[in-house]
Amino acid sequence: AQSVAQPEDQVNVAEGNPLTVKCTYSVSGNPYLFWYVQYPNRGLQFLLKYITGDNLVKGSYGFEAEFNKSQTSFHLKKPSALVSDSALYFCAVRDIASGTYKYIFGTGTRLKVLA
Amino acid sequence: GAGVSQSPSNKVTEKGKDVELRCDPISGHTALYWYRQSLGQGLEFLIYFQGNSAPDKSGLPSDRFSAERTGGSVSTLTIQRTQQEDSAVYLCASSSLDGARQTQYFGPGTRLLVL
Repeated sequence: AQSVAQPEDQVNVAEGNPLTVKCTYSVSGNPYLFWYVQYPNRGLQFLLKYITGDNLVKGSYGFEAEFNKSQTSFHLKKPSALVSDSALYFCAVRDIASGTYKYIFGTGTRLKVLA
Repeated sequence: GAGVSQSPSNKVTEKGKDVELRCDPISGHTALYWYRQSLGQGLEFLIYFQGNSAPDKSGLPSDRFSAERTGGSVSTLTIQRTQQEDSAVYLCASSSLDGARQTQYFGPGTRLLVL
């Protein structure tokens, strides 16, 4: 079965410092991995995805993620955090096995960037 | 429209009443998904539409839940005889083509509170 794990409920980081939000996955076949961000009282916004190709994927708002096949990880990173990055972040894997391509989401990680 | 829209944005209802939640996907998007976001439960898949048909209804929690899609566009999620455990944010997403590589774009959600 396909699954995604976000081991940290919350991550705190000082403004200007680099941030990492962790995600590991378990899939059969090729992984299709996504990151979304959710600001308070708003829907999910797409940040970036890994389908194939370069292991380092660049996305919106200066975020990037590194696909690591050997560690089955897809950690979200940003070199310098902003207070406005504070939000709830979800990692998701595409469910290929079911044929419907629905997302299977992690439980989310709340990022707090402290001024 | 520019994005996925959902209505109402908020709905308060009494236990036992029926509710209808509406989703307008991005024009031309053939795939449509409903998810539910509950406190402590994360994001869970409910149902998937390809055009007007629903090949995957596996996430609907009970027979009180149903959904339809007409004209390959608007979708309605209906919850009959609502229960307090139905309280959640209901999110709709659409994508342009059916396939693993396609990004799903989410609406702002409908926040349902069952008293």
